[in-house]
Amino acid sequence: DIQMTQSPASLSASLGETVSIECLASEGISNDLAWYQQKSGKSPQLLIYAASRLQDGVPSRFSGSGSGTRYSLKISGMQPEDEADYFCQQSYKYPWTFGGGTKLELK
Amino acid sequence: EIQLQESGPGLVKPSQSLSLTCSVTGYTITSGYDWSWIRKFPGNKMEWMGYISYSGSTNYNPSLKSRISITRDTSKNQFFLQLNSVTTEDTATYYCARALLGAFAYWGQGTLVTVSS
Repeated sequence: DIQMTQSPASLSASLGETVSIECLASEGISNDLAWYQQKSGKSPQLLIYAASRLQDGVPSRFSGSGSGTRYSLKISGMQPEDEADYFCQQSYKYPWTFGGGTKLELK
Repeated sequence: EIQLQESGPGLVKPSQSLSLTCSVTGYTITSGYDWSWIRKFPGNKMEWMGYISYSGSTNYNPSLKSRISITRDTSKNQFFLQLNSVTTEDTATYYCARALLGAFAYWGQGTLVTVSS
């Protein structure tokens, strides 16, 4: 299985701060990577697919980048509603696997 | 608007089978896409369990292959998860979801299943 190592496990950001979360795959995944946001008690919401494509309706302050084995999610300007868990997921090879998640809190 | 909703028992005894239903509205499951089951364990680890495609083919996570079955009832626009011989380690929130290009754009609200005697 492809292992997805996500970092950091948690972070705290101030209003308006730019935040970055990273996922490292155990082998190249050819941009077959998605990012999700999950708020407490809710189901996950797709933010980014194909490493850098913004899902319809997602604010433009969210962006994704990366290649090969390293990928990142950036939030340009932390907002109160961005407080949530975030996780990555690869679909390059079955079984599809997820990162361990990042808990983002507003400082 | 497409909606998915999980249903089923919230408590299952060890060694028994876990059975969940995903009811889909707003889209016919035979029209396209892969229809997956995903679970989130206490502690936040997420696991893709498997899918049934719009054509009825299935693909399972090898870690579950001997215990899992995903089927469907096209007349009711539902698909199902059966997980056999459960243990306490199968306690999780179970989600059904629709995948496109490897990403899950639509999810159910999730249902917590506790395995306990």
